[in-house]
Amino acid sequence: AQTVTQSQPEMSVQEAETVTLSCTYDTSENNYYLFWYKQPPSRQMILVIRQEAYKQQNATENRFSVNFQKAAKSFSLKISDSQLGDTAMYFCAFMKHEGADGLTFGKGTHLIIQP
Amino acid sequence: DVKVTQSSRYLVKRTGEKVFLECVQDMDHENMFWYRQDPGLGLRLIYFSYDVKMKEKGDIPEGYSVSREKKERFSLILESASTNQTSMYLCASSFERIWAPGNTIYFGEGSWLTVV
Repeated sequence: AQTVTQSQPEMSVQEAETVTLSCTYDTSENNYYLFWYKQPPSRQMILVIRQEAYKQQNATENRFSVNFQKAAKSFSLKISDSQLGDTAMYFCAFMKHEGADGLTFGKGTHLIIQP
Repeated sequence: DVKVTQSSRYLVKRTGEKVFLECVQDMDHENMFWYRQDPGLGLRLIYFSYDVKMKEKGDIPEGYSVSREKKERFSLILESASTNQTSMYLCASSFERIWAPGNTIYFGEGSWLTVV
């Protein structure tokens, strides 16, 4: 079974700062996928970024990037030039290659962007 | 855009009632999932289905059952609701080939269930 750990229940930064959210995971799988989802107050889950484990290059999506360290089983999310709209719960998630049994989530980090 | 629709956003039910939470997706996805979200616990998988009439237990199936009679619809059933099932329930769906580039799991907006 897989486990995902987010060790920061809550973080707060000033607008325009850079913030890094931590995530570690444990698995015996070799092929898998990692995700960061954002959940704003509306509760809609929004995919932020996805990383395939077989890819060494870190994924980036505009202001969002990850630091994927496969050997250390670490998958952190960096948000650059943070904006008020980034305030949300952020969930790190793991999925086996087959995918049919869904995502395993961490407990989430509540990120607050202060004006 | 992919649409995962949970028909009931807010429900209040009494202990012992039978509760149905309905989920419909419009993208012909093979896989469908039911998660439960509680503060401090993240999202936990209750049941999932990879085909019509197929179902698999997730991490916390006790007290729940599911039904998938049609590909687009996946129902979560609480046979006898209890107060500890008060929670938010999220439905999700995905293509079978979820590993293909660009594919992911899509979520509904959630159903808030309060059992009194």
